[in-house]
Amino acid sequence: GENVEQHPSTLSVQEGDSAVIKCTYSDSASNYFPWYKQELGKRPQLIIDIRSNVGEKKDQRIAVTLNKTAKHFSLHITETQPEDSAVYFCAASIGWFNFGNEKLTFGTGTRLTIIP
Amino acid sequence: DAGVTQSPTHLIKTRGQQVTLRCSPKSGHDTVSWYQQALGQGPQFIFQYYEEEERQRGNFPDRFSGHQFPNYSSELNVNALLLGDSALYLCASSSGLAHEQYFGPGTRLTVT
Repeated sequence: GENVEQHPSTLSVQEGDSAVIKCTYSDSASNYFPWYKQELGKRPQLIIDIRSNVGEKKDQRIAVTLNKTAKHFSLHITETQPEDSAVYFCAASIGWFNFGNEKLTFGTGTRLTIIP
Repeated sequence: DAGVTQSPTHLIKTRGQQVTLRCSPKSGHDTVSWYQQALGQGPQFIFQYYEEEERQRGNFPDRFSGHQFPNYSSELNVNALLLGDSALYLCASSSGLAHEQYFGPGTRLTVT
């Protein structure tokens, strides 16, 4: 089955600097890659996702890049703010046209701390 | 428009007991997936329901079972509880035609 590895497990950056979190996946059939942000005691919140037919996607200060050949994808947060502090999870799944997606396989998470 | 809701919020059970957790999907969603999140870990897939049937299942024993109702809400049942079943149980809903999964707030289960 699919295996997703995520690095680093913890990351501290100065406010205003950029943060990068990296994930690798094992199943070449995976074609949908979401990122979730989970604040303490709260639900995982979908913040951005990318499909395998796209190499990069950006939404304001957040961007995700995908390298299908190397089977890795990354989350980039620019101009970090204190409210970006949370645990971030990457995930991978196989999405079928007209049939939704299969299970999400999650990475182990990255605890991001923004230092004011 | 209500998002994904789950009940109860917290639950304390004793080893060997049985528990039922409930989930109502986001309006317009017809697929419900259940995940177990142990402390400090990423969510692990338990199973997914679509059209009232279990569509796929993760590596969880038969003690974990579920159901989906005609209104798309879902239940997760766990029998013969073990200490290791203590975790946050999350449900996520999605539309059968889309990829995005949206999570509920979870049920924190403690087994003593």
